[in-house]
Amino acid sequence: DAGITQSPRHKVTETGTPVTLRCHQTENHRYMYWYRQDPGHGLRLIHYSYGVKDTDKGEVSDGYSVSRSKTEDFLLTLESATSSQTSVYFCAIRPDLNYGYTFGSGTRLTVV
Amino acid sequence: AQKVTQAQTEISVVEKEDVTLDCVYETRDTTYYLFWYKQPPSGELVFLIRRNSFDEQNEISGRYSWNFQKSTSSFNFTITASQVVDSAVYFCALGGSEKLVFGKGMKLTVNP
Repeated sequence: DAGITQSPRHKVTETGTPVTLRCHQTENHRYMYWYRQDPGHGLRLIHYSYGVKDTDKGEVSDGYSVSRSKTEDFLLTLESATSSQTSVYFCAIRPDLNYGYTFGSGTRLTVV
Repeated sequence: AQKVTQAQTEISVVEKEDVTLDCVYETRDTTYYLFWYKQPPSGELVFLIRRNSFDEQNEISGRYSWNFQKSTSSFNFTITASQVVDSAVYFCALGGSEKLVFGKGMKLTVNP
């Protein structure tokens, strides 16, 4: 058990609706990240968190917001979903800067 | 700025062939880490190895080996006697700051 879970695993939503993806960890790691993966673009960072209530933007943050009110949960919200946000979303955790990431299993989001 | 280049986007080999995946990185940091991740067709991202910038020893783990050369800023990954189960997308990543920087990935197909 890697200690990180993403929910939901799959979601289909309509354009214009808000969507929230959840990342939950049981490792008490400080750092948490949200990435999206699209063909031809690899992994692109959306937002990350370096502590409770401490977050920062990544390279593709427009249209997304995040919240981290407790160590174990990092929420990603699509404020008004668009078709361009159809993607696979990965959450990752990291104990400190000397280590790499442990990834969640991913959420496949389809915006129709 | 940090950058990771995986020049090969896709490689196809026949089982039992050896294959090397190239990774070239750019950083101004003197202390940094390099990583390889595997993404099999099932979609999860699996950590393979971490190497810090002060350790240039090559590493071997079964059929996998890694060659880190600071002089050429490369961290190449070789699979010896490839197997069908090695078919996956492989990502190289550079760390040392709050965010890992990923290459765009290289898709390896091993045919029986």
